[in-house]
Amino acid sequence: RKEVEQDPGPFNVPEGATVAFNCTYSNSASQSFFWYRQDCRKEPKLLMSVYSSGNEDGRFTAQLNRASQYISLLIRDSKLSDSATYLCVVGGGSYIPTFGRGTSLIVHP
Amino acid sequence: DTAVSQTPKYLVTQMGNDKSIKCEQNLGHDTMYWYKQDSKKFLKIMFSYNNKELIINETVPNRFSPKSPDKAHLNLHINSLELGDSAVYFCASSQEGLDTDTQYFGPGTRLTVL
Repeated sequence: RKEVEQDPGPFNVPEGATVAFNCTYSNSASQSFFWYRQDCRKEPKLLMSVYSSGNEDGRFTAQLNRASQYISLLIRDSKLSDSATYLCVVGGGSYIPTFGRGTSLIVHP
Repeated sequence: DTAVSQTPKYLVTQMGNDKSIKCEQNLGHDTMYWYKQDSKKFLKIMFSYNNKELIINETVPNRFSPKSPDKAHLNLHINSLELGDSAVYFCASSQEGLDTDTQYFGPGTRLTVL
């Protein structure tokens, strides 16, 4: 089983839609969780950290489910500019962050 | 001001050649990394340097060698380039080097080996 797994998509949604991505991780000792965003031919950039209690930043909501070992990202009222690849990153308290393969989102008019 | 910069942005070369990619960060971070992103977009960590000390070295060929002249720079040297080395290489930095830190990435170097 891969350490961090994501559905590669693409998720193709209309503007205004709500879309959710999940990311599963295999290391139960994992302590830190992030979502990064990567635009086409650009570098990854931090979107948000994921806290145990869940956290929200505008239209974006991140949740952590330790029992089932997954994190989620919910995007409400999708914009064209949300089109990108969303990378899940999991850390186990060491020096080795593990990136998922990414989920591609395409928002169309 | 660019926080993490890399040069060159594009690198096209022949098999068997030796090449270097440079990386600099002006964030004052303690740790720098090199990542490889292949054609399937999978981002894999190659090296991590903390205060000029190699912390991790994933299972990369020894043709790849990181060189850190100081805390702000981490260069990547690649000897005897192979076709499979074609990928985008990202440099990154973080405050302390733990995987709880936010990673700040450079713009990437697109390497094509012919």
